Amino acid sequence: QVQLQESGPGLVKPSETLSLTCAVSGYSISSDYYWGWIRQPPGKGLEWIGSIYHSGSTYYNPSLKSRVTISVDTSKNQFFLKLASVTAADTAVYYCARGLPSLVGAMGYWGQGTLVTVSS
Amino acid sequence: DIVMTQSPDSLAVSLGERATINCKSSQSILYSSNNKNYLAWYQQKPGQPPKVVIYWASTRESGVPDRFSGSGSGTDFTLTISSLQAEDVAVYYCQQYYNTPQYSFGQGTKLEIK
Repeated sequence: QVQLQESGPGLVKPSETLSLTCAVSGYSISSDYYWGWIRQPPGKGLEWIGSIYHSGSTYYNPSLKSRVTISVDTSKNQFFLKLASVTAADTAVYYCARGLPSLVGAMGYWGQGTLVTVSS
Repeated sequence: DIVMTQSPDSLAVSLGERATINCKSSQSILYSSNNKNYLAWYQQKPGQPPKVVIYWASTRESGVPDRFSGSGSGTDFTLTISSLQAEDVAVYYCQQYYNTPQYSFGQGTKLEIK
């Protein structure tokens, strides 16, 4: 059974960079599928951030593209999210997830999510 | 951008009754070359991550009860729960994955027991 677990700081200061790790177990990232990040501000809806393939091919939400970097480390079976120049509007639960077969932005398996608060 | 609009925003249905949630896209999400609608439905229970229940508009994800069904094509879609169970209480989201990489979700529909 595929499992995903997000980790990273729960508090980030405004203007700094948010960095999260998604550790994958039960499946090798280098085998197949796109791997992505989605966020959800408290009490609000879902926003797709971006996805990566094990080859390093990436897709980003155009509204966040200038600030987002997603990368992968197949040797550790992990992928990563960096979001630069954060503001309070970036406060959200951040989920990592595996894409549905052959799909970039529709997600099958999800992690439990991690709350990141942007505040000084 | 493709805007996804769900209706209603909230819905209360009696146990055992049918629940219907609608989703409308601002443009067609039917890809003519493969005749597939690029639409998914997710269920999110309180304190949990979303879970996909339907994709390709009408394909039920493995393990999802057959009381869940998806229908529609082009711009208008429906998620139906044929006989509501207590464990179906959740917020439901539709998502289009037609417009790469601008994937967008509906605002969500909160489903409760009447």
